[in-house]
Amino acid sequence: AQSVTQLDSQVPVFEEAPVELRCNYSSSVSVYLFWYVQYPNQGLQLLLKYLSGSTLVKGINGFEAEFNKSQTSFHLRKPSVHISDTAEYFCAVSNNAGNMLTFGGGTRLMVKP
Amino acid sequence: DTGVSQDPRHKITKRGQNVTFRCDPISEHNRLYWYRQTLGQGPEFLTYFQNEAQLEKSRLLSDRFSAERPKGSFSTLEIQRTEQGDSAMYLCASSLVAGVQETQYFGPGTRLLVL
Repeated sequence: AQSVTQLDSQVPVFEEAPVELRCNYSSSVSVYLFWYVQYPNQGLQLLLKYLSGSTLVKGINGFEAEFNKSQTSFHLRKPSVHISDTAEYFCAVSNNAGNMLTFGGGTRLMVKP
Repeated sequence: DTGVSQDPRHKITKRGQNVTFRCDPISEHNRLYWYRQTLGQGPEFLTYFQNEAQLEKSRLLSDRFSAERPKGSFSTLEIQRTEQGDSAMYLCASSLVAGVQETQYFGPGTRLLVL
C-alpha cells in the first residue's frame, strides 16, 4: 500500500516570493512521483514528474521538485510566484506497475499582491 | 491532440435517478482511468481499463456504479439510484503505457450534484 501526505493544506505567500509545497510519501516498492495543479472548476494539469534519473526535476511554469529517497519526500518549489499560480496543488504517487495514482489531500497556494 | 474530454461538464439530478458520464481519451491512449474527487480532497481512484478490459476496481465502486469501454476508445461511467453522497467531481484520465513508464492526462471533469 502507498500513501501521500501533503503537510500544508494552505500556503499563503506574497507575489514574487519563493514557495515550497511539501509532499511525503510511503511505499513498500519503488515509486514514480507527480505534481499536478488544479485551477478552480478545472481538471488536473501535470506540472512535473519523477520517473528515474536526476533527482531534480524541472516542470512547467517555473516549478521544480526534488526527489529525496532517504526522506521519502518530493517537495515542489518555485523561486518567485505570480498571482496566476494561485491554485490547488496535488502530489501523487504510483508504483512500478503504473496504473492507479494515489493522491495527497492537496495544498492550496494563495498568492497575494 | 485535443486532450481528454468529458461530457457533461455539470450534472444536477435528484436522488434515485440514474446518470451516465462519458469520457473521450487522447487518441491512441490504451489506458483510461476514472477518479472521484470530493470537495477539498484529492482524487480517489475508482477503476481503470486497458483497452476494453476493466482491470481493477476500487472498493469505492459500489454495485450502483458501472463503467464500460466497449471498443477500447471512449468510456462511460453510470451511477444508478444516485445518493447525495455521490455528489463529487468525476475525473477521467488517459495514458499510453510504454514499458513501466506512464503519465496520466486528465480531463476537465464532470461535476455531479445530487439533490
